[in-house]
Amino acid sequence: DIQMTQSPSSLSASVGDRVTITCQASQDIAYYLNWYQQKPGKAPKLLIYAVSNLETGVPSRFSGSGSGTDFTLTISSLQPEDIATYHCQQYDSLPITFGQGTRLEIK
Amino acid sequence: QVQLQESGPGLVKPSETLSLTCTVSGFSISSGYYWGWIRQPPGKRLEWIGSIYYSGTTDYNASLRSRVTISVDTAKNQFSLKATSVTAADTAVYYCARQRGLNNIESWGQGTLVTVSS
Repeated sequence: DIQMTQSPSSLSASVGDRVTITCQASQDIAYYLNWYQQKPGKAPKLLIYAVSNLETGVPSRFSGSGSGTDFTLTISSLQPEDIATYHCQQYDSLPITFGQGTRLEIK
Repeated sequence: QVQLQESGPGLVKPSETLSLTCTVSGFSISSGYYWGWIRQPPGKRLEWIGSIYYSGTTDYNASLRSRVTISVDTAKNQFSLKATSVTAADTAVYYCARQRGLNNIESWGQGTLVTVSS
């Protein structure tokens, strides 16, 4: 199975900050990488697919980049409603696997 | 807009069978898409269990394949998960979801907590 490792595991930032979360795959997954946002007590929500494509309705302050084994989710200006846990997910090969999640808090 | 709702017992005894159903509204399962189950044990990462295409073709996580069955009932617009011989390690929030291919999990149910305990 492809192992997905996110860093950091938790992050505290101020409103307006630029926030970056990284995800590393244990092998080359090309661009087969998604990001999900999970607010407390809620189901995950697809945020970005295929590395850099925003799902419909996702604010443009979210962006994704990377290829191969190293990927990044960036929030250009953190908003209070962005408090959530963010998960990366690979779909290069089955089984689909997820990172351990990055918990984002507001300072 | 598609909506998914999980239903089933919240408590299952060890060695017994876990059974969950996902009822889909706002979209006909027969129209396409993959339909999947994902779980999240307390404090752990999300784990894909398996998915079924509307035609009945299934894909499973190999780690669970021997114990898991996913089926679809297009007449009721539902799909189901059965997991046999459960242990405490199967305690988790279980989500049903609609997938674009096997790739993007684009719509999720609210999730249901299943606890395995005697």
